[in-house]
Amino acid sequence: DMKVTQMPRYLIKRMGENVLLECGQDMSHETMYWYRQDPGLGLQLIYISYDVDSNSEGDIPKGYRVSRKKREHFSLILDSAKTNQTSVYFCASSFRTEISNERLFFGHGTKLSVL
Amino acid sequence: KTQVEQSPQSLVVRQGENCVLQCNYSVTPDNHLRWFKQDTGKGLVSLTVLVHENDKTSNGRYSATLDKDAKHSTLHITATLLDDTATYICVVGDRGSALGRLHFGAGTQLIVIP
Repeated sequence: DMKVTQMPRYLIKRMGENVLLECGQDMSHETMYWYRQDPGLGLQLIYISYDVDSNSEGDIPKGYRVSRKKREHFSLILDSAKTNQTSVYFCASSFRTEISNERLFFGHGTKLSVL
Repeated sequence: KTQVEQSPQSLVVRQGENCVLQCNYSVTPDNHLRWFKQDTGKGLVSLTVLVHENDKTSNGRYSATLDKDAKHSTLHITATLLDDTATYICVVGDRGSALGRLHFGAGTQLIVIP
């Protein structure tokens, strides 16, 4: 079906609570990403995963961790959420390839509010 | 420092008019450049990918150019429709697709009015 699915779409948490954002894809893509999007800024890379249990920090990993136990699932975890982690989080996936025009698929995003 | 700058920040056009969106970048190396469309509250959808020096692509009413010497790209939208209302995001990759970093612009918000 070629899609990236994110759950939940909206989430409200209190400061200090734990947060789990889920992402799934049905294309057997090796590479998956977590980004956050804030007003007036471009998407910022939090973590990238090259395959199961092969994860690397992106540009802003502090305060986040990830888990990839199956190729089709990639989770983003916030242990003890902070108010500055209020944002829209996007998951994306693609094949692991040097081909420059390889397609990149994005989920619809999770809007997280930390109060 | 922002490595991908888009202009204008926002743009209002009447349905049927043409428009041009600009992207200037300082990313090095610049392996490829992508344009995405993001509808409000939705994810990014790929419009086109430009790879080579002086590349030109066309996808229906969308066409794009890339000048790697000037580190500049344009996205042209012809005969705009109300459904073209969205944010258009320019992204520069420093390596082939999944293996390098993607540098995102903040986007141009296009509003098409009747």
